[in-house]
Amino acid sequence: AQRVTQPEKLLSVFKGAPVELKCNYSYSGSPELFWYVQYSRQRLQLLLRHISRESIKGFTADLNKGETSFHLKKPFAQEEDSAMYYCALWSYGQNFVFGPGTRLSVLP
Amino acid sequence: GAVVSQHPSRVICKSGTSVKIECRSLDFQATTMFWYRQFPKQSLMLMATSNEGSKATYEQGVEKDKFLINHASLTLSTLTVTSAHPEDSSFYICSARDLSRVIEPQHFGDGTRLSIL
Repeated sequence: AQRVTQPEKLLSVFKGAPVELKCNYSYSGSPELFWYVQYSRQRLQLLLRHISRESIKGFTADLNKGETSFHLKKPFAQEEDSAMYYCALWSYGQNFVFGPGTRLSVLP
Repeated sequence: GAVVSQHPSRVICKSGTSVKIECRSLDFQATTMFWYRQFPKQSLMLMATSNEGSKATYEQGVEKDKFLINHASLTLSTLTVTSAHPEDSSFYICSARDLSRVIEPQHFGDGTRLSIL
């Protein structure tokens, strides 16, 4: 069965500190992995997808198939990064499966 | 810009009222749309998959008579919460599948905050 876990419900870091939001998944095939961000009272927005290997707003994520992980990283956190972050798994013809989310709080 | 429009963004109504929420794909045809429910500070939970021209597929534990879904056209799906009660208060989010865009296969609406008094 498909499953996405995000072990941290809340992650607090100081501005300028590095941040890593953890995501692990279980899936028997070759899924696509995504990170979505939800700022306060705004829509869910796509932040990153593993197949594009982009860096959006300074965030990067690398898919590690051996560890079945897709951790989100940023070297220097900013206050405007404070939001809910959801890791999601998708496979063609299947539904999205979202992790429980991690609330990132960047302190001044 | 937004490619999925969800309306209304907020509804406040009395217990026992039925509430309809619309989800429209703006520049693509969506044969499949999804309805999610999000409780405060929790993740999105898939309620049902809406298929154009056929019956919706509901996730386990979701009452199909309570949450009526209609997907009558390729650009519109509606969710009707029938005889809503305070426990139905939640944030409802729709999304539409766009298989022509492999990199971002699903677009989300802004969500509807439903408050039942």
